[in-house]
Amino acid sequence: SQTIHQWPATLVQPVGSPLSLECTVEGTSNPNLYWYRQAAGRGLQLLFYSVGIGQISSEVPQNLSASRPQDRQFILSSKKLLLSDSGFYLCAWSLQGGNGYTFGSGTRLTVV
Amino acid sequence: AQSVAQPEDQVNVAEGNPLTVKCTYSVSGNPYLFWYVQYPNRGLQFLLKYITGDNLVKGSYGFEAEFNKSQTSFHLKKPSALVSDSALYFCAVRDHYNQGGKLIFGQGTELSVKP
Repeated sequence: SQTIHQWPATLVQPVGSPLSLECTVEGTSNPNLYWYRQAAGRGLQLLFYSVGIGQISSEVPQNLSASRPQDRQFILSSKKLLLSDSGFYLCAWSLQGGNGYTFGSGTRLTVV
Repeated sequence: AQSVAQPEDQVNVAEGNPLTVKCTYSVSGNPYLFWYVQYPNRGLQFLLKYITGDNLVKGSYGFEAEFNKSQTSFHLKKPSALVSDSALYFCAVRDHYNQGGKLIFGQGTELSVKP
């Protein structure tokens, strides 16, 4: 069966520090991968999605970047965090064609 | 452009009563519609989806949803609410031609079920 792993679960980082959040999927090949941010416990904002290795689409201009170095690995990064980067970050995957997502358990990022 | 609206920020229901969480959508082609549930500090869990076929879709935990094309709605329902159903519910949509299979989510509806 397919599983998705996301870590760390919580993270407190100072302003100006770098960020690296990792997401991996097991039990499937060539998935579509997504990063979402949920601010204030509500709406989900799509940040990045990827349909293949090295293929990244950015949905909104921001202080973050994403990479997909391997088929089932998706990394969210920042060189210098801002206070406004605080939030709950969710990784998700879907099959090609995308009939629904499976979400990871999320990372709570607090920038102080 | 695709969009989803969940007109109610919060829905309050007494345990044992029926519940409805509303969702309307806008897409350019045939819609794929989804409901997810989120418990505090957790990822989203899939409840049900409509792709094609019967307009009434049954999902996990006794939930169901009815696709209404003329009203562009996909309301989530349950005949008898449980206290454990209290959570944040998200409706989502994509259209058939959407590159990358991107889902667009509504703003969420907080469901509170009181004993």
